[in-house]
Amino acid sequence: ERVMTQSPATLSVSPGERATLSCRASQSVSNNLAWYQQKPGQAPRLLIYGASTRATGIPARFSGSGSGTEFTLTISSLQSEDFAVYYCQQYNNWPPYSFGQGTKLEIK
Amino acid sequence: QVQLQESGPGLVKPSQTLSLTCTVSGGSISSGSYYWSWIRQPAGKGLEWIGRIYTSGSTNSNPSLKSRVTISVDTSKNQFSLRLNSVTAADTAVYYCARVVVAATWFDPWGQGTLVTVSS
Repeated sequence: ERVMTQSPATLSVSPGERATLSCRASQSVSNNLAWYQQKPGQAPRLLIYGASTRATGIPARFSGSGSGTEFTLTISSLQSEDFAVYYCQQYNNWPPYSFGQGTKLEIK
Repeated sequence: QVQLQESGPGLVKPSQTLSLTCTVSGGSISSGSYYWSWIRQPAGKGLEWIGRIYTSGSTNSNPSLKSRVTISVDTSKNQFSLRLNSVTAADTAVYYCARVVVAATWFDPWGQGTLVTVSS
């Protein structure tokens, strides 16, 4: 099973600033990685797939990069609605599809 | 626009079977382009993939749960279902259903989720 490790667990950033979230795979997952945003009481929402392709309707301030074992989600200028928990998920090797433990992005 | 909605009992006794249904609207569950999946999330914790089903009835499950999981599909009702037997308190979680594009395997969209508590 591919183990996905996200860092940091919590990230404090001021509105308008850039946020950089990391996700590391225990073995290569190529570019088969997705990112999700989850707000309290809501289901996760797909942000990025294929490591760097934004899903439909996702603002351009969200960008993904990386391949192999190291991945990054960058939010270029944080808006109030961006404060949430973010998860990465690999779909290169299954079963199972595996998720990271999440990074909580909070207002500084 | 496809929407998914989970339904089922919110409380299940230990050792019994958890049963949930996901109703798909705005699209056909019989489309050959998608898998249909279950994912769960214990309170304050991360996401765990449970399993998936194709319109043909072919299934795959998380090895950690495989012996307890049954996923089925009812194309006439545009629904798919999850049964998890021999539940314990560790199975208490919000259960989500989600669509998966064949040959893509990311989850989009998701249902709103339903909380299932295992308690006597």
